Amino acid sequence: GNSVTQMEGPVTLSEEAFLTINCTYTATGYPSLFWYVQYPGEGLQLLLKATKADDKGSNKGFEATYRKETTSFHLEKGSVQVSDSAVYFCALSPRDTPLVFGKGTRLSVIA
Amino acid sequence: DTAVSQTPKYLVTQMGNDKSIKCEQNLGHDTMYWYKQDSKKFLKIMFSYNNKELIINETVPNRFSPKSPDKAHLNLHINSLELGDSAVYFCASSQDPPAGGRETQYFGPGTRLLVL
Repeated sequence: GNSVTQMEGPVTLSEEAFLTINCTYTATGYPSLFWYVQYPGEGLQLLLKATKADDKGSNKGFEATYRKETTSFHLEKGSVQVSDSAVYFCALSPRDTPLVFGKGTRLSVIA
Repeated sequence: DTAVSQTPKYLVTQMGNDKSIKCEQNLGHDTMYWYKQDSKKFLKIMFSYNNKELIINETVPNRFSPKSPDKAHLNLHINSLELGDSAVYFCASSQDPPAGGRETQYFGPGTRLLVL
């Protein structure tokens, strides 16, 4: 079946620290991979995506690379800000089926 | 202008009641979805409609009934509410049906339902 496993939170970092949130997946075929972000009190927003192996998605300083050999799509940012505090969801989209989300990782960035 | 809007934002009600949540999108998308997010933030698809037709119906109690009067609206009616229905419900839309990630989904702000 299709599933996404992401690291348990919460993750607490100081401002300007390096961020990694791990995400691994199992899927049939070749899915697209996504990171969504949910800021407090809001709905989910697409942060970045990658549609094939070795693609790198990037947005707002965040990056993730689609690694087929390790079935991973880890989210990274070189220097986090307080405004990055949110819940981050890794998701995959197998062909013709809806998004499958991980359980979310809460990030808190302190000044 | 809000792309995907939901009403109400908060809903507190008693067990056994019937309630509806409304969703509207002004993006001109053909496909709409309902998701449920539980207290642990786990997000799961419930339904999806494409051009007013049901295309995805996950294992959801039949107390939940979606209704799509037109492409821009997908409402969720819940009968005989139970304590376990307490959650945040998100509406979303995309231009195309799920097709291997070619579509991006746009989410509404959520409706926080609390059943007492």
